[in-house]
Amino acid sequence: SAVISQKPSRDICQRGTSLTIQCQVDSQVTMMFWYRQQPGQSLTLIATANQGSEATYESGFVIDKFPISRPNLTFSTLTVSNMSPEDSSIYLCSVEVSVNTEAFFGQGTRLTVV
Amino acid sequence: GNSVTQMEGPVTLSEEAFLTINCTYTATGYPSLFWYVQYPGEGLQLLLKATKADDKGSNKGFEATYRKETTSFHLEKGSVQVSDSAVYFCALEGNQGGKLIFGQGTELSVKP
Repeated sequence: SAVISQKPSRDICQRGTSLTIQCQVDSQVTMMFWYRQQPGQSLTLIATANQGSEATYESGFVIDKFPISRPNLTFSTLTVSNMSPEDSSIYLCSVEVSVNTEAFFGQGTRLTVV
Repeated sequence: GNSVTQMEGPVTLSEEAFLTINCTYTATGYPSLFWYVQYPGEGLQLLLKATKADDKGSNKGFEATYRKETTSFHLEKGSVQVSDSAVYFCALEGNQGGKLIFGQGTELSVKP
């Protein structure tokens, strides 16, 4: 299993600013992912965080808006840049310890943009 | 592309009632199927899974059977409890390991 610590748990931000969300895992993991859950909606994959290289983004998400870092096998960050109220969502970090195993999720970061 | 469709909520049941939450999917190949649960104020947790046709996943009294012929993975429980109140998400993982595609979620409220 994996225990994921995600910070901050919630934040209220001004439009036009940026927020960086951290995801720390208690063990080395193969795969790390970032999801978004908009109000009343399901979870949508933003990108796969690749260790030591650029993240792989899903359709509709771009690096300039959601830069991602993954410097090692236990840590990743997601930045939400130049925020607008439409970015108000819950952002979740997910990991797989090894290929084709269970996905674990962090508690999420509840972001409100005003 | 791959997709998951869940029955809409909210679903309100009395304690000890029978629960079914429908889930159907569209996918190429042979995806793995999951049910995740999100209790109030908590993170997303894996409830059960099935990795091939006719597999039955089960946990905490919940069951779901992977039906390839009907492309379905309906969640059932014979007798729900108040503590089962949560949002339930059906999801699939295709041949790109680790990437989950979620249904829209179904909110379940169980009244005493």
